[in-house]
Amino acid sequence: GENVEQHPSTLSVQEGDSAVIKCTYSDSASNYFPWYKQELGKGPQLIIDIRSNVGEKKDQRIAVTLNKTAKHFSLHITETQPEDSAVYFCAASRGGSYIPTFGRGTSLIVHP
Amino acid sequence: DTGVSQNPRHKITKRGQNVTFRCDPISEHNRLYWYRQTLGQGPEFLTYFQNEAQLEKSRLLSDRFSAERPKGSFSTLEIQRTEQGDSAMYLCASRPVTGMAGNTIYFGEGSWLTVV
Repeated sequence: GENVEQHPSTLSVQEGDSAVIKCTYSDSASNYFPWYKQELGKGPQLIIDIRSNVGEKKDQRIAVTLNKTAKHFSLHITETQPEDSAVYFCAASRGGSYIPTFGRGTSLIVHP
Repeated sequence: DTGVSQNPRHKITKRGQNVTFRCDPISEHNRLYWYRQTLGQGPEFLTYFQNEAQLEKSRLLSDRFSAERPKGSFSTLEIQRTEQGDSAMYLCASRPVTGMAGNTIYFGEGSWLTVV
């Protein structure tokens, strides 16, 4: 089955800095890669996603890149704000049931 | 769109008791998922429904766990003879049928289970 590795487990930045979270996946058939943000006591919320036919996608301060050859994908957050503090999860899934396999999460702390 | 709804949000039970969680997916989402999440970990897949049919089950879903979606709308997840290791947040998610958003699953707020 699919295996998703996520790094780092904790990321501490100053407000205004950029943050980068990296993931790798094992199943070359995976073709959909969502990113979720989870705040304390709440369910994960989708923030951005990318499909395997695209190398990069951007939405305001958030961008995601995908390298299919290396099976790497990354989340980039620019101009971080304290409200960006949360746990971020990457995931990978394949067509059909689209059952996402999640990474272990990155706890992002943005210091004012 | 009222989102995925889960009940109860919190449940404390004694070891050996049975518990049941309910999930109401986003209307017209015919696909429904159950995940389990423990502290410091990502969500782990338990089971998946398309309409009323349970199409996939994880090895994590032991014989003490059963999930149903009798009319293809809401779903229940029952845990029998609970053990302390069952303490976790149980997440429900749903996915639309088709369209550009057809790959995306949307999570509810989760149901926290504490077994004492």
